[in-house]
Amino acid sequence: EAGVAQSPRYKIIEKRQSVAFWCNPISGHATLYWYQQILGQGPKLLIQFQNNGVVDDSQLPKDRFSAERLKGVDSTLKIQPAKLEDSAVYLCASSSRGGDEQFFGPGTRLTVL
Amino acid sequence: GEDVEQSLFLSVREGDSSVINCTYTDSSSTYLYWYKQEPGAGLQLLTYIFSNMDMKQDQRLTVLLNKKDKHLSLRIADTQTGDSAIYFCAERTSGTYKYIFGTGTRLKVLA
Repeated sequence: EAGVAQSPRYKIIEKRQSVAFWCNPISGHATLYWYQQILGQGPKLLIQFQNNGVVDDSQLPKDRFSAERLKGVDSTLKIQPAKLEDSAVYLCASSSRGGDEQFFGPGTRLTVL
Repeated sequence: GEDVEQSLFLSVREGDSSVINCTYTDSSSTYLYWYKQEPGAGLQLLTYIFSNMDMKQDQRLTVLLNKKDKHLSLRIADTQTGDSAIYFCAERTSGTYKYIFGTGTRLKVLA
């Protein structure tokens, strides 16, 4: 089966610009996660969806970050406006409902100048 | 609170065994995971253990869980240069399917 797809793989923007990332989870996976991984750190959960509903967005900086999963399949994560400290790899992952395993996409590396 | 800690670096010689350690704080964790991350790639699930188990073996990988001390370890037998990567442990809290990751251990295998 196809894995988790993400695009773009790399993005370079200037601070105060906007950026959007896209994720297509594994077919049939109800749970979708967005993580932020800053260089030298482990992934930090930004938001977790169950189908098209938000389960956990407690660590999402809601003044500048937003995410949606309108049809319960693919998802977009947006940053507006970006700050220098947003430079990181943004990882998307998915798991089946009640599943024990989480599968990751290759990530989008964001550089904010 | 939730916190997962790992040592930052480990260096071993090819053919030796590697042991990567992890401590966690959430006693309600249901599953504990080990992931591998190679440069420029996402995380690859290696293995996981249910919290009512003490040990799990999968080919060259052995996971040991000491639930009393909240200590998890990953042993890689006959370590190869292809094992060089960053290894993350993660705990999953029961009910919400929320994963908490450690800071990662960079394993360097010397030929």
